Amino acid sequence: NSKVIQTPRYLVKGQGQKAKMRCIPEKGHPVVFWYQQNKNNEFKFLINFQNQEVLQQIDMTEKRFSAECPSNSPCSLEIQSSEAGDSALYLCASSRRAGGQDTQYFGPGTRLLVL
Amino acid sequence: GDSVTQTEGPVTVSESESLIINCTYSATSIAYPNLFWYVRYPGEGLQLLLKVITAGQKGSSRGFEATYNKETTSFHLQKASVQESDSAVYYCALGDPGTQVVGQLTFGRGTRLQVYA
Repeated sequence: NSKVIQTPRYLVKGQGQKAKMRCIPEKGHPVVFWYQQNKNNEFKFLINFQNQEVLQQIDMTEKRFSAECPSNSPCSLEIQSSEAGDSALYLCASSRRAGGQDTQYFGPGTRLLVL
Repeated sequence: GDSVTQTEGPVTVSESESLIINCTYSATSIAYPNLFWYVRYPGEGLQLLLKVITAGQKGSSRGFEATYNKETTSFHLQKASVQESDSAVYYCALGDPGTQVVGQLTFGRGTRLQVYA
């Protein structure tokens, strides 16, 4: 079973508010991914890190989303100004190596509702 | 881009019946992707069910099996006899096995399975 920890499990925000969620990857996993799963169950890759360095991020992430994985602290994903369309389940996953060889282990997710 | 299409749920079966959930993929930039089945049980997070990285091979776990078929670009999930505890949402996914890529997964939309006694 995965040992990826995500907090909070639920987050309710008003439009325009900041929304911040955290992720602690499995021990020994330097690679962290963030995905968004919307109400249609579609997954969207947002960003990933190897240690503290961003490997890749999509355009949406670059504009309103910010993320970091500081040393010795939880990784975080923050939406600077929430919109209704951001309501979704945000999933954090970790793996041992960058590249596509390794299995990704997922946390339970943070469900964001933007009113 | 890459895509995964799977059986649209919900799928409802009786306990001890057989099950097949179809999954086909399109990997435009990947010759031989890694293929995965993930499962989300009620109230729990997404967890790996099985993984196959070599075309022609079969993966198995908890009584489930899936064979990587590169000719038909399919990775169907099968179980000979389901149990109520198998009730969950099943996700087919693909990933690029290359060492120089970021490694994000492409998921299908999931298939909800309901097994009744």
